[in-house]
Amino acid sequence: AQTVTQSQPEMSVQEAETVTLSCTYDTSENNYYLFWYKQPPSRQMILVIRQEAYKQQNATENRFSVNFQKAAKSFSLKISDSQLGDTAMYFCAFRAGGSEKLVFGKGTKLTVNP
Amino acid sequence: EAGVAQSPRYKIIEKRQSVAFWCNPISGHATLYWYQQILGQGPKLLIQFQNNGVVDDSQLPKDRFSAERLKGVDSTLKIQPAKLEDSAVYLCASSVGQGYQETQYFGPGTRLLVL
Repeated sequence: AQTVTQSQPEMSVQEAETVTLSCTYDTSENNYYLFWYKQPPSRQMILVIRQEAYKQQNATENRFSVNFQKAAKSFSLKISDSQLGDTAMYFCAFRAGGSEKLVFGKGTKLTVNP
Repeated sequence: EAGVAQSPRYKIIEKRQSVAFWCNPISGHATLYWYQQILGQGPKLLIQFQNNGVVDDSQLPKDRFSAERLKGVDSTLKIQPAKLEDSAVYLCASSVGQGYQETQYFGPGTRLLVL
């Protein structure tokens, strides 16, 4: 069974600075996808960024980028130029290829301070 | 485009009572998911539907939880009887696309408190 571990329950960052959220996973699959989801307070969860395991190039979406280390089974999220609206729970998630089932970590609560 | 709709948003019940949650996915999305998110944890998949058929219900406590999607559109999740440990947010999601492009869109959730 796949597991996803987020070792940082809470983090904080100053507005305009950069922060990195950690995620590790365990799987025996060769084909899989990794995701970061954002869940703002009292609002619905939205997809931030995704990465396919076969792609060596790290995914980027505007201020969000990932550092995917396949051998280490690590998938960290970097948020550049942090904004107050980035305050949220961030969940790392795994999906095996050929499956639509998402396995989530426990989340990291990120607070961006003015 | 309207998002995933869920109701009610909040529900408080006594243990051993019954409760039902409703979800209307994004129009045209064939796949629908129900997740349970206990405080301090990530969402856990309870059941996945493809149209009106069940794809995965391996983590659904079938002695008390049931779900249906009779016409392949909206869905209902029921708990009967509820236990204290069922207190959680119940998230509904629907998806479009396949493989790498498959994206799950989440609803606002129903927050359940069992007293």
